[in-house]
Amino acid sequence: EVQLVESGGGLVQPGGSLRLSCAGSGFTFKDYWMSWVRQAPGKGLEWVAHIRRDGSDKYYADSVKGRFTMSRDNAKNSVFLQVNSPRAEDTAVYYCVRFGLISIVPTPVGYFDSWGQGILVTVSS
Amino acid sequence: SYELTQAPSVSVSPGLTATITCSGDKLGNRFACWYQQKPGQSPVLLIYQDTKRPSGIPERFSGSNSGNTATLTISETQAMDEADYYCQAWDRGAAVFGSGTRLTVL
Repeated sequence: EVQLVESGGGLVQPGGSLRLSCAGSGFTFKDYWMSWVRQAPGKGLEWVAHIRRDGSDKYYADSVKGRFTMSRDNAKNSVFLQVNSPRAEDTAVYYCVRFGLISIVPTPVGYFDSWGQGILVTVSS
Repeated sequence: SYELTQAPSVSVSPGLTATITCSGDKLGNRFACWYQQKPGQSPVLLIYQDTKRPSGIPERFSGSNSGNTATLTISETQAMDEADYYCQAWDRGAAVFGSGTRLTVL
């Protein structure tokens, strides 16, 4: 059974920093692209970022580009999201998601086939 | 930026067919996915590549995508199908989600 467990959420001040972690199990972690998707309270889903299997390629939503950094450690079956200079509008539940790749040309296309339970990040002073 | 439009809500009686649509410019030229999210739970993938169902998803759920509209069809709707449904497609390397449709089973 695929399991994705997020950690590292909580309260962070605007302009501060936070690092989210996600541990995967039940599948061959290094064979999958991974993603982060977030959901503001009472709102819809918003894709944040995804990362290639070997970590060499990353894609970000315009809303977080330059502030968030996604990385992975395949030896630890983990992905991370470094959240820098957060804003109030970054307050959301952040989901770690396994990405099923369909095609990589010209840009990655796929589907989000397994989701973690989510972790809340609250940006407030 | 690319946008996907969904009706905020749809109602259906138990046992009948529910149809949830998602509109976007030339959406039929892109792969569409559908996700179900029940209150307090994480989303679940229902349909990918327009029509494919992951293992474990009942055959009652089906998808289509043509022209500017992707459609999720739920046959023999049950009370347990009451949830929010999101469509999703891709635009230049970015995943785009629709705003979601709340399905109410009356």
